[in-house]
Amino acid sequence: SQKIEQNSEALNIQEGKTATLTCNYTNYSPAYLQWYRQDPGRGPVFLLLIRENEKEKRKERLKVTFDTTLKQSLFHITASQPADSATYLCALDMLRYGGSQGNLIFGKGTKLSVKP
Amino acid sequence: NAGVTQTPKFQVLKTGQSMTLQCAQDMNHEYMSWYRQDPGMGLRLIHYSVGAGITDQGEVPNGYNVSRSTTEDFPLRLLSAAPSQTSVYFCASRETGGENQPQHFGDGTRLSIL
Repeated sequence: SQKIEQNSEALNIQEGKTATLTCNYTNYSPAYLQWYRQDPGRGPVFLLLIRENEKEKRKERLKVTFDTTLKQSLFHITASQPADSATYLCALDMLRYGGSQGNLIFGKGTKLSVKP
Repeated sequence: NAGVTQTPKFQVLKTGQSMTLQCAQDMNHEYMSWYRQDPGMGLRLIHYSVGAGITDQGEVPNGYNVSRSTTEDFPLRLLSAAPSQTSVYFCASRETGGENQPQHFGDGTRLSIL
């Protein structure tokens, strides 16, 4: 069965450093991958989407890479700030596995803490 | 902009009781879905709908019913609550047409079954 792993439950870094979060998947060939941010007591909020034929996507201080050979996505936050502290979720589509466009499978998330 | 609105925010039920979790969106999105989020697990898809009158099962549909009579509303029903259904429930919607559409989530309903 398809499996998606975010290999760190928690990541602690100093303000100003670059945070790098990892999302790995197995038994899978997603058409695209999404990253979400979730704050305590709130629903996930969409950040970035990257397609299988894209290597890298950027949005302000955020960068996502997608390596379909390694079956891995990296999510970077440069010049991190305490306000970036949250849980970050990666999600893959289910298009090629009988799912409807819109059905996603989520990782467990990585809780990022940025210390001043 | 309201986006996706879920009610109630919190609920405590006794085993065997029934209830309906409400979800409404004002973005005219055809696709809506329900997820549950449990500690140590990712969000898991319960049911989804690609438009009014059309629903289908996700990964963990047992114990839940849904209906979609309007584009705006997608209620989730627990017919006979069980302690295993204690969870945080999220409703989401997205535009159809094109794979690169993000999900818009509500802020969840925290449900405890005693």
